[in-house]
Amino acid sequence: QTVVTQEPSLTVSPGGTVTLTCASSTGTVTSDYYPNWFQQKPGQAPRALIYSTSNKHSWTPARFSGSLLGGKAALTLSGVQPEDEAEYYCQLYYGGARVFGGGTKLTVL
Amino acid sequence: QVQLQESGPGLVKPSQTLSLTCTVSGGSISSGSYYWSWIRQPAGKGLEWIGRIYTSGSTSYNPSLKSRVTISVDTSKNQFSLKLTSVTAADTAVYYCAREGAEGSWGQGTLVTVSS
Repeated sequence: QTVVTQEPSLTVSPGGTVTLTCASSTGTVTSDYYPNWFQQKPGQAPRALIYSTSNKHSWTPARFSGSLLGGKAALTLSGVQPEDEAEYYCQLYYGGARVFGGGTKLTVL
Repeated sequence: QVQLQESGPGLVKPSQTLSLTCTVSGGSISSGSYYWSWIRQPAGKGLEWIGRIYTSGSTSYNPSLKSRVTISVDTSKNQFSLKLTSVTAADTAVYYCAREGAEGSWGQGTLVTVSS
């Protein structure tokens, strides 16, 4: 059973920078895992933010960026805004199937 | 931007088959090279990937659900569908359809409750 692990919760101050990570139980995450990132606010459907490691959708704010960091996929928010408070999910590709991480609840305080 | 909308029964009895349809608007489901996916989320819990179908019709499924899941596409109606057999209360969730990749979009989700 493949497990994708994210930080359960993180807190950041407005205007600050925070990095969320996404680890695989199979080992180092590479671009071959095609990491995707999603944002979900309470009562709403998830929204795609980043695809294939670092590519942004047309609606993705510039302050969001995706990368590979220390053997994990990473989502960095620079200049955090209050509206960035949400649950963030990563998703990795395993030869046909995709697996979501458990999500990171980001609090802006 | 392409839009997706889930539809189907909101209540399914245990042991029966859950059937949902995702209608795509603002673009053709058969144009481009996209994966069309189903994802679910039990109340208060995280996201679970169910499976996906490629524009060509090839499919892949979550191994834990594979024996019960079928995803198909109807290009004439610009729709793709999910069938999940032998449902139990554990299958109660909000079900989302989505398009993967660039400009990936999600439907708003539909709640399916499994109960007698």
